[in-house]
Amino acid sequence: DAKTTQPTSMDCAEGRAANLPCNHSTISGNEYVYWYRQIHSQGPQYIIHGLKNNETNEMASLIITEDRKSSTLILPHATLRDTAVYYCIVIDTSGTYKYIFGTGTRLKVLA
Amino acid sequence: GAGVSQSPSNKVTEKGKDVELRCDPISGHTALYWYRQSLGQGLEFLIYFQGNSAPDKSGLPSDRFSAERTGGSVSTLTIQRTQQEDSAVYLCASSFTFSSYEQYFGPGTRLTVT
Repeated sequence: DAKTTQPTSMDCAEGRAANLPCNHSTISGNEYVYWYRQIHSQGPQYIIHGLKNNETNEMASLIITEDRKSSTLILPHATLRDTAVYYCIVIDTSGTYKYIFGTGTRLKVLA
Repeated sequence: GAGVSQSPSNKVTEKGKDVELRCDPISGHTALYWYRQSLGQGLEFLIYFQGNSAPDKSGLPSDRFSAERTGGSVSTLTIQRTQQEDSAVYLCASSFTFSSYEQYFGPGTRLTVT
């Protein structure tokens, strides 16, 4: 079973920040939080990952709460091309690195 | 550079037939993963390879499913005696090593069993 819960869907206006929450209340100390997205009819694409510190790259920012029980993916200026299903996954770095996907959040960016 | 490729992109087969799905990982990637995605569902882990060995086959749904990898590169997922519930998109991913952070996914093979 997936170790994360996410809202089923969200809308965001083009040009605004999209904030996608994820709950991972049972996360353990050696588990990372990863975010992927899947644009229609394509394979998932890596976005960002983190352990306990906030992270930023050219695509997004990841904010992890101090207790690590939840996180938020931030797309600072959403575009229509960001419309996709966003998956939050926790990975046990001492295990097989297999991904256990939940159902994700379907983000729709509106013009 | 070239990403993960999968073939065929689409496969329609009759119930009871065997099918083979192929994955070509990124050159030099030692870890390879198979997932499947049923219509409207999230991705389901099937099996992963480190080199040519498969330490974790826990996700294979039945003994009709098998996979192999040769030469540390190409992998084949075989489904014997296909059933309608096998209809899904089968995705392959690879990573540089077993413990690499990022998995690179291919475009998938859409399997339809009629």
